[in-house]
Amino acid sequence: DGGITQSPKYLFRKEGQNVTLSCEQNLNHDAMYWYRQDPGQGLRLIYYSQIVNDFQKGDIAEGYSVSREKKESFPLTVTSAQKNPTAFYLCASRPMGLAPRNEQFFGPGTRLTVL
Amino acid sequence: DQQVKQNSPSLSVQEGRISILNCDYTNSMFDYFLWYKKYPAEGPTFLISISSIKDKNEDGRFTVFLNKSAKHLSLHIVPSQPGDSAVYFCAASGNDNNNDMRFGAGTRLTVKP
Repeated sequence: DGGITQSPKYLFRKEGQNVTLSCEQNLNHDAMYWYRQDPGQGLRLIYYSQIVNDFQKGDIAEGYSVSREKKESFPLTVTSAQKNPTAFYLCASRPMGLAPRNEQFFGPGTRLTVL
Repeated sequence: DQQVKQNSPSLSVQEGRISILNCDYTNSMFDYFLWYKKYPAEGPTFLISISSIKDKNEDGRFTVFLNKSAKHLSLHIVPSQPGDSAVYFCAASGNDNNNDMRFGAGTRLTVKP
C-alpha cells in the first residue's frame, strides 16, 4: 500500500528539548517537503529536498533542521531554537520527471505540543 | 505576507446546491493553481488544478475558474454532497518545480443533508 507515513500522530515535548518528526514514503517520489500549519494560516514551507543528500530552506526554516540520507525518508528536527514550535506539521512528497508541475501528496500530519 | 488568501473561513450549503469557494492571490508570477481537500486527522489530498493558460478546468462535479486580471480563482462543486464536507485549501505556484507553493488558510465547507 503506497503512501506517506508520519509518526507519531501526537507528540508532546518539554520546552528546550529537541524533537524529531518522522516522514517516510514508499511512492518512489523524488521531492519531499515539510510544512507547518497554524490556526487561521495556510501551510508554510519549512524545508524541501529534491534529491538525496540535498535540501533547501523554505520560508520559515529558522529553528528547524532536516536530513535526506535516503530517498524514502525526510526527518524534521525541531530544535530548542524554534521560538514557537507548537503546531501541526505536514510532510509531503512529489514525483518529478516528465510532469514537473505534479501535485504534492501529503502525509496525515503530526501535532506537536511543547509544554 | 499572505500571497494566497481565502477570505471565508467557513461556508455552509444545502445538499444538492452549488458550493462556491473563493481564493485571491497577489503574486502575478503565479501560473499554476491547485485545490486540496482535507478531512479531519488526515493530510490534504489533491482535488483539481489549473494552469494560467486556461480560465476553466472541469473534473466531474468540480470546476475551477481562473480570472487572471482579478487574480482570483474559485472552486465550484455541483451538486454538493455531504461527503464534500471538509476544509478546502487553495494553493499557487510560479516555479516550474512547484517548490514555491503558497497555500491559503483554508475554507471549511459543511454540506447539510
